[in-house]
Amino acid sequence: KQEVTQIPAALSVPEGENLVLNCSFTDSAIYNLQWFRQDPGKGLTSLLLIQSSQREQTSGRLNASLDKSSGRSTLYIAASQPGDSATYLCAVPNAGNNRKLIWGLGTSLAVNP
Amino acid sequence: DGGITQSPKYLFRKEGQNVTLSCEQNLNHDAMYWYRQDPGQGLRLIYYSQIVNDFQKGDIAEGYSVSREKKESFPLTVTSAQKNPTAFYLCASRNPGHLNSEAFFGQGTRLTVV
Repeated sequence: KQEVTQIPAALSVPEGENLVLNCSFTDSAIYNLQWFRQDPGKGLTSLLLIQSSQREQTSGRLNASLDKSSGRSTLYIAASQPGDSATYLCAVPNAGNNRKLIWGLGTSLAVNP
Repeated sequence: DGGITQSPKYLFRKEGQNVTLSCEQNLNHDAMYWYRQDPGQGLRLIYYSQIVNDFQKGDIAEGYSVSREKKESFPLTVTSAQKNPTAFYLCASRNPGHLNSEAFFGQGTRLTVV
């Protein structure tokens, strides 16, 4: 059974720091892995999707990597800003049929001015 | 613009009342999903649908019902049998048959029992 874990659960950093969020999964037979951002009281916004054949994806100050063999993905945020404060979630389709998404509990990020 | 629209944004339900949450997508996605989110908890799957006129129970389907009469629409009814319906409800869609099966979400409906 696929399980997704995100560490740390919460993170507080000063503005300008580069930071890494972690996502681990137990079954490496994944189609892809997706990172989302959620602001308080809002829906989820898709940040990046990495297909199983890819090693990384970049969007602006965000870079997501994928290592299937070790069951890990990292989301790197460069030069963090207060506007980056949000909860970041990762999800993978369940192994085998790709019908449902398996979710981590998220990392709550606070970037302090 | 393509996307998912949930309505209403806020909904108040009296004890014993059924209420329906709307979810519409114009992304031409085959699959649609309903999630419940409670403070401090992760996303929990209520129901999902892979195709029109077909849907499956998720992890917490009791007290909820859905329909999928059109590809674009996947309404969720919270029935009086749901004993603790106060929560944030999120609708999502994707095309699971693709490697690039990116999921997109609506802005959510906050349901409160009064």
